[in-house]
Amino acid sequence: QVQLVQSGAEVKRPGASVKVSCKASGYTFTTYAISWVRQAPGQGLEWMGWINPYNGNTNYAQKLQGRVTMTTDTSTRTAYMELRSLRSDDMAVYYCARDSARDGYNLWGQGTLVTVSS
Amino acid sequence: EIVLTQSPATLSLSPGERATLSCRASQSVSVYLAWYQQKPGQAPRLLIYDASNRATGIPARFSGSGSGTDFTLTISSLEPEDFAVYYCQQRSNWPRGTFGQGTKLEIK
Repeated sequence: QVQLVQSGAEVKRPGASVKVSCKASGYTFTTYAISWVRQAPGQGLEWMGWINPYNGNTNYAQKLQGRVTMTTDTSTRTAYMELRSLRSDDMAVYYCARDSARDGYNLWGQGTLVTVSS
Repeated sequence: EIVLTQSPATLSLSPGERATLSCRASQSVSVYLAWYQQKPGQAPRLLIYDASNRATGIPARFSGSGSGTDFTLTISSLEPEDFAVYYCQQRSNWPRGTFGQGTKLEIK
């Protein structure tokens, strides 16, 4: 079954870090990039960045540069997104999506809620 | 940075009616624009890519058009399951992929 399965909800203190995982199955992991998108409560979609599992190349949104790191483990077919120095405005549902350069985000994970609260 | 502006913010229509959603880019994105549908509590779903190509499994009542800076998503005859939020996304400077702010399509 072709799917992306993300890790469970997280609760973090301001200033902490969070690492969300996204495990792929049913397709060749290195054939497609993974993009990360977040959605704050009641808000729209925000592109966070992109990673190519084939060679590890990344591209991050400018506003997150220095706080975000995206990695992949091809042996376990898993992508990771780590966000550091969490603030209240980082509270959101975080999605991974399979990025086909040809046709867009044609497969999404179920989302991971990250709550930032003291 | 390319900014996408969607209009209207909210569209109130009845089942069976035709829906027309707009997405305008701050600079040309050629045809590199995608549309997504999102229902409450769910991940987005790809509807249209490259401005006018339906994604796999998307019903024919969904169509996209436009190029350059002005794009339209049309739903020819609304079904009850079509009431959702719709987002456009530019892909002209891939892998960067900014989204519009969304249009909520609600039942009148």
